[in-house]
Amino acid sequence: GEDVEQSLFLSVREGDSSVINCTYTDSSSTYLYWYKQEPGAGLQLLTYIFSNMDMKQDQRLTVLLNKKDKHLSLRIADTQTGDSAIYFCAVAYGGATNKLIFGTGTLLAVQP
Amino acid sequence: DTGVSQDPRHKITKRGQNVTFRCDPISEHNRLYWYRQTLGQGPEFLTYFQNEAQLEKSRLLSDRFSAERPKGSFSTLEIQRTEQGDSAMYLCASSSPWDSEAFFGQGTRLTVV
Repeated sequence: GEDVEQSLFLSVREGDSSVINCTYTDSSSTYLYWYKQEPGAGLQLLTYIFSNMDMKQDQRLTVLLNKKDKHLSLRIADTQTGDSAIYFCAVAYGGATNKLIFGTGTLLAVQP
Repeated sequence: DTGVSQDPRHKITKRGQNVTFRCDPISEHNRLYWYRQTLGQGPEFLTYFQNEAQLEKSRLLSDRFSAERPKGSFSTLEIQRTEQGDSAMYLCASSSPWDSEAFFGQGTRLTVV
């Protein structure tokens, strides 16, 4: 079955780059997403990548996809205290907007 | 505000009571999803509608759970005979068939006491 895994916690200093990693098991994924969740709030879509792409850059965010290793990463450049949140990797199968399989989330703590 | 709207934001109920949540998707979106998120976990897929048709249901959706989208616009999720294990955040999302993005609401946090 589909499984998506993330490391639980990442701590960085303000101004540094953050790299959040995600691995998934099913290679038939179509779209892969990164969502941000602040305490008590819903999910905010940050960016996504189609499975035939290797990289996507969007302002401070860079997504890298290694399909061979089934590994997805999100790099946040110049991390700010406002970036502190839980980041979820999510994988879609069978079409861009079919159900998403989410990872357990990575808590990013940004130290001033 | 044209985002996904969920009501109520918070619900506290006694075990055994029935509860109903509402989701209003973005107006031009014909796909609507329900997810459940427990503390410390990522959201888990519950069910999915395209217009008024319920196309997929997770095995997580026991027979105490029912979801409807009668006119293909708003949706309701009802939980009958609530149990403490139902305590979670219930998230709704919507998307359009020509868009790769699913947009989430703020969620309804259910606490069963």
